[in-house]
Amino acid sequence: KQEVTQIPAALSVPEGENLVLNCSFTDSAIYNLQWFRQDPGKGLTSLLLIQSSQREQTSGRLNASLDKSSGRSTLYIAASQPGDSATYLCAANTGGFKTIFGAGTRLFVKA
Amino acid sequence: NAGVTQTPKFRILKIGQSMTLQCAQDMNHNYMYWYRQDPGMGLKLIYYSVGAGITDKGEVPNGYNVSRSTTEDFPLRLELAAPSQTSVYFCASSYGGGQGDADTQYFGPGTRLTVL
Repeated sequence: KQEVTQIPAALSVPEGENLVLNCSFTDSAIYNLQWFRQDPGKGLTSLLLIQSSQREQTSGRLNASLDKSSGRSTLYIAASQPGDSATYLCAANTGGFKTIFGAGTRLFVKA
Repeated sequence: NAGVTQTPKFRILKIGQSMTLQCAQDMNHNYMYWYRQDPGMGLKLIYYSVGAGITDKGEVPNGYNVSRSTTEDFPLRLELAAPSQTSVYFCASSYGGGQGDADTQYFGPGTRLTVL
């Protein structure tokens, strides 16, 4: 059974710092891995989707990597800003329309 | 282009009452999903649909029902509400179902449901 874990559960950093959010999954047989952002009281916004055949995806200050063999994905945020404060969730698509979500990392960027 | 819309935003139910959570998308997506999110937990899939007239159970379907009569709409029905169904419910849609970039799921703003 696929399990997705995100560490740390919460993170507080000063503005301008580069940071890495971690996501691990137990079953490497995934179709893709997706990173989402969730603001308080709001729905999820897709940030990046990495197909199983890809190693990384980039969008602006965000870079997500995928290592299926080790069951890990990382989300790198460069030059963090207070507007980046949110909860970040990763989700592994295991096929059959089953997407398993992690519990998220709550990020706070201090001005 | 409104994306995925959900109504209502908030609702309080008494134990044993029933209600329908509405979800609609205007992106002509084939696939639609219902998730619930409990505090401090990841989202769990309740039901999904691969097209009009076709639905299937997800991880936590007990106590819920769905229908998909059109491509656009995917309502979630709660019968005999229980306190364990207190949660935030999210509807999502995607063009693809797991085979490529079209798999990106787009989420509605959620419905916060409390059962007392």
